[in-house]
Amino acid sequence: EPEVTQTPSHQVTQMGQEVILRCVPISNHLYFYWYRQILGQKVEFLVSFYNNEISEKSEIFDDQFSVERPDGSNFTLKIRSTKLEDSAMYFCASSGDRGGTEAFFGQGTRLTVV
Amino acid sequence: GENVEQHPSTLSVQEGDSAVIKCTYSDSASNYFPWYKQELGKRPQLIIDIRSNVGEKKDQRIAVTLNKTAKHFSLHITETQPEDSAVYFCAASLFAGNQFYFGTGTSLTVIP
Repeated sequence: EPEVTQTPSHQVTQMGQEVILRCVPISNHLYFYWYRQILGQKVEFLVSFYNNEISEKSEIFDDQFSVERPDGSNFTLKIRSTKLEDSAMYFCASSGDRGGTEAFFGQGTRLTVV
Repeated sequence: GENVEQHPSTLSVQEGDSAVIKCTYSDSASNYFPWYKQELGKRPQLIIDIRSNVGEKKDQRIAVTLNKTAKHFSLHITETQPEDSAVYFCAASLFAGNQFYFGTGTSLTVIP
């Protein structure tokens, strides 16, 4: 069964450093998402991406965040200058269509900012 | 924007009993309601979903009900088994939108 894959599984970074989280969505999917989950809290939407541009973003997704689809397979989330409060599990997801269809989640990248 | 609330936050049941998790949503325009199961350290996985033109959907031991008027939907698990132990998240979204608004999660423990 096709899966969304994320790398790395765990990233530790110093406050103020830039990190790039990588995702390979399911190959025929068109819609891509990043969510985050702070330990013990709900899954929160960050951004959705379609047709090579951001289609929706939340208030969490401020200027320090950016997304990119640099080639036909990867989808990346960049955090420019990490803060302690960015520590969370980051999930990438993809779906074959707009809302009303299943979103498939990757296994997550646990980001720890120290 | 949409606000999804989920109750209870933790739930323990004896094996074989039923479990019910309830969610409410605020945006009457929401029309797609998936339920995700997240086992410890693993990704959320869809277990069942319902669209607003349907009041109930069942898949073996799992069922979901939707009350559009009251803006709430519930997950029902019957004949629970230890492998049902996980965190369950409800979510709401729009057909025309493409983000999911998640509930806060329910940690279900099935006691053998």
